[in-house]
Amino acid sequence: DADVTQTPRNRITKTGKRIMLECSQTKGHDRMYWYRQDPGLGLRLIYYSFDVKDINKGEISDGYSVSRQAQAKFSLSLESAIPNQTALYFCATSDSGTGEEYEQYFGPGTRLTVT
Amino acid sequence: AQSVTQPDIHITVSEGASLELRCNYSYGATPYLFWYVQSPGQGLQLLLKYFSGDTLVQGIKGFEAEFKRSQSSFNLRKPSVHWSDAAEYFCAVYTGGFKTIFGAGTRLFVKA
Repeated sequence: DADVTQTPRNRITKTGKRIMLECSQTKGHDRMYWYRQDPGLGLRLIYYSFDVKDINKGEISDGYSVSRQAQAKFSLSLESAIPNQTALYFCATSDSGTGEEYEQYFGPGTRLTVT
Repeated sequence: AQSVTQPDIHITVSEGASLELRCNYSYGATPYLFWYVQSPGQGLQLLLKYFSGDTLVQGIKGFEAEFKRSQSSFNLRKPSVHWSDAAEYFCAVYTGGFKTIFGAGTRLFVKA
């Protein structure tokens, strides 16, 4: 089984709809991240969480919100989707306990299309 | 400003030929540098990393990278490319705390 899973893997939704992307991990890591990937732009950080009670905005958080329901679960919500949120979304984890918090492990991604 | 530049959007090489993917970074302190590979439909997988010490680092799948401080570069190399290496490759620099800056990626095509 994959260590970092994302659901759904693909989603098409309409402008104005609320949508939630979910991420679960079995690695026991404390840190979790949400990125979006756009062609030619690489990965950009949306939100990150260092533990259940610590959630922080990344560089492009406008239009997004997150919830860390448990150490293993980190959800990303688009309250009112718009077409320029069409992208590939990745969840990632890292472990501060090993002193290697810089090494991130990625889920397979969710391809979101907003029409 | 901190940044990572991958000058080549895409590269095509013949199977069995050598490969070099370029990466330049802008970061004031000693960088933690990474190369990731993204195969179609997959997440990013870490190929190799550099923190300190030997400037030539070995990674998985036969890849290596060389850190050159004077050139602010961390180029990825492989002596002989296989068709399964076709993927997108991302260079990244960890700047501390929570932040990893990714390059825009280089897509590798392998021709028979």
